Amino acid sequence: QKEVEQNSGPLSVPEGAIASLNCTYSDRGSQSFFWYRQYSGKSPELIMFIYSNGDKEDGRFTAQLNKASQYVSLLIRDSQPSDSATYLCAAGPGGQAGTALIFGKGTTLSVSS
Amino acid sequence: DVKVTQSSRYLVKRTGEKVFLECVQDMDHENMFWYRQDPGLGLRLIYFSYDVKMKEKGDIPEGYSVSREKKERFSLILESASTNQTSMYLCASSSSAGGPQNEQFFGPGTRLTVL
Repeated sequence: QKEVEQNSGPLSVPEGAIASLNCTYSDRGSQSFFWYRQYSGKSPELIMFIYSNGDKEDGRFTAQLNKASQYVSLLIRDSQPSDSATYLCAAGPGGQAGTALIFGKGTTLSVSS
Repeated sequence: DVKVTQSSRYLVKRTGEKVFLECVQDMDHENMFWYRQDPGLGLRLIYFSYDVKMKEKGDIPEGYSVSREKKERFSLILESASTNQTSMYLCASSSSAGGPQNEQFFGPGTRLTVL
């Protein structure tokens, strides 16, 4: 069974701090990794994707991938109350068109002002 | 921008009714997906389709069927709705172009209540 594991949280950080969200995956063949943000009552929206080992930065967000450890993380710098949401990690089974992403259950982040 | 639309935001049905949930995407994506999302259980894949008239079972297909007659449209059918199918239903689409799995774009969701 291919799985993506996340700590459900809640993860609580004060405004301005760095929030660190982590994810592990079981399928070594996974090639692509995605972070989605989901506000309560809304649908998931993509905020970052990463394919290569190392770091990828986009504004306040940094995604990190370590394929040897099967580990993906998302750092949110200068956290804002508007970042409070559930963050879903997803892994792509890799290389095959028409296959579904495997989602973790999500980590709830709460940023207090 | 990719746009995925779903026919209803909120739906209330009676036990035993046949329910149709429609999803349309406007970006010529090959792949379309239906999920349900429940508290504590995360997103669970019901069915997906990688081409017109093609379908694949996901993790929880029981009690559901799907139809994809046109590339842009993917329908989820509850043949005889039951109370345990009360949930948020999310449609998504993705492209097969470019090699590695491409990101999925989600519709706004349909919150279905079965009484």
